[in-house]
Amino acid sequence: DQQVKQNSPSLSVQEGRISILNCDYTNSMFDYFLWYKKYPAEGPTFLISISSIKDKNEDGRFTVFLNKSAKHLSLHIVPSQPGDSAVYFCAASELGEYGNKLVFGAGTILRVKS
Amino acid sequence: NAGVTQTPKFQVLKTGQSMTLQCAQDMNHEYMSWYRQDPGMGLRLIHYSVGAGITDQGEVPNGYNVSRSTTEDFPLRLLSAAPSQTSVYFCASSRQGRLAGRETQYFGPGTRLLVL
Repeated sequence: DQQVKQNSPSLSVQEGRISILNCDYTNSMFDYFLWYKKYPAEGPTFLISISSIKDKNEDGRFTVFLNKSAKHLSLHIVPSQPGDSAVYFCAASELGEYGNKLVFGAGTILRVKS
Repeated sequence: NAGVTQTPKFQVLKTGQSMTLQCAQDMNHEYMSWYRQDPGMGLRLIHYSVGAGITDQGEVPNGYNVSRSTTEDFPLRLLSAAPSQTSVYFCASSRQGRLAGRETQYFGPGTRLLVL
C-alpha cells in the first residue's frame, strides 16, 4: 500500500503557463515533505521542501502548498519553462524513530511545450 | 567535489550470479542509502546507514546486503541475482544520520541492472 501517491503519471503544459503537480499521503505521522526533480539518465535532485508547521513555501518559480487536513500537497511552477520537463517525485518523512527514511511517490512526468 | 559516484553505470547479470554495486561520496556525509526505481513504483528504500558500522533495512531489503566500513563507501551486494531485481539503483547521501528525512539527499547517477 503506497503511503505517498502521485495519481497523475504525466502532465503536459504550455511554456509560460502554470504547472501544478499533486501528491497525496496516507500516513498522518508524516511531517516533512520534499520534491525532487529527475532528468533522464541522472539521479534525482532536491527542489523544495515544506514542514508540516507551514502551509506554503516558495523558492523562485517553485511553490509548494500543504493541506494537512486533506493530506495533500502540490507543487506549482510559474512560469513553466521547457527546461522544467522532467520527472517530479514527491517524498515524505516522519518525526522520530523513522525520521531518517524517505518515502517516495511514483513520480509525475512533466512536459513543457514551447 | 565529485559528490556521489556509482559504478558500474550498466550491468547485465544472469540469474544466480552475484555482484556488488559500488557507491562512494566525498562530502563526509553520515547518512547513505540505496534505492531502487521501478516503473510505477517510484524510488523505494533498500538499505540505509547512519554512520560507519551502522546499517538498517528499508522498505525492500530482501535479496540485498550492505556494509559500511568507512564513511565514504556504501556497497550494495546482490548474492544471487533474480529477474525481479532488474531495476535502476540509486545511491544517496545526506549530512546528518538522524535527520536524513529532513535534509537534502544527494543522489548518484544510478546503475541500470538487467538480470536475465
